[in-house]
Amino acid sequence: RKEVEQDPGPFNVPEGATVAFNCTYSNSASQSFFWYRQDCRKEPKLLMSVYSSGNEDGRFTAQLNRASQYISLLIRDSKLSDSATYLCVVNTNAGKSTFGDGTTLTVKP
Amino acid sequence: DAGVTQSPTHLIKTRGQQVTLRCSPKSGHDTVSWYQQALGQGPQFIFQYYEEEERQRGNFPDRFSGHQFPNYSSELNVNALLLGDSALYLCASSSDRGFSGNTIYFGEGSWLTVV
Repeated sequence: RKEVEQDPGPFNVPEGATVAFNCTYSNSASQSFFWYRQDCRKEPKLLMSVYSSGNEDGRFTAQLNRASQYISLLIRDSKLSDSATYLCVVNTNAGKSTFGDGTTLTVKP
Repeated sequence: DAGVTQSPTHLIKTRGQQVTLRCSPKSGHDTVSWYQQALGQGPQFIFQYYEEEERQRGNFPDRFSGHQFPNYSSELNVNALLLGDSALYLCASSSDRGFSGNTIYFGEGSWLTVV
């Protein structure tokens, strides 16, 4: 079993749709959590950190459930430019970052 | 402010050869991590360097080795290349002093093809 697991998708949604991605992690010692976005043949870029209280950045909302070891990302009012692969990232206290394999999103007109 | 820079961007090697990839971290960062990303997978942690020492290592064989220089730049060396080593190699820098919450920033990567 992988340390960080994501539904690979692909998720194909129309513009304006709301879409949610889930991620589970197995290391209970994990300390911090992030979502990264990766465009085709490009490097991953930070989308947002994930806090225990949940946090929002514009159309994006991230949630963390430590008891269930579960992280989510919600995208509202999807845009064509949101098409990408979304990577869930979990850090241990030693600073090691473990990535999921990503969920692919395609937003269609 | 220069971000993370990597070189070369693309290279082709033959099985059994050796390769060296280079990385300069973002200004102000002192920690460098290397990742391997195969097609369709997320980045896999190879190792991390801090204060010129390997601080952590992922599940990669000894053929993968690295180095960090006093100016915080780093090299990744892979010996006895296999076809399965073909991947995007990503360098990431941070300034975490061991703190897990700091963000890591990636370079554009080095695309390695082994034939």
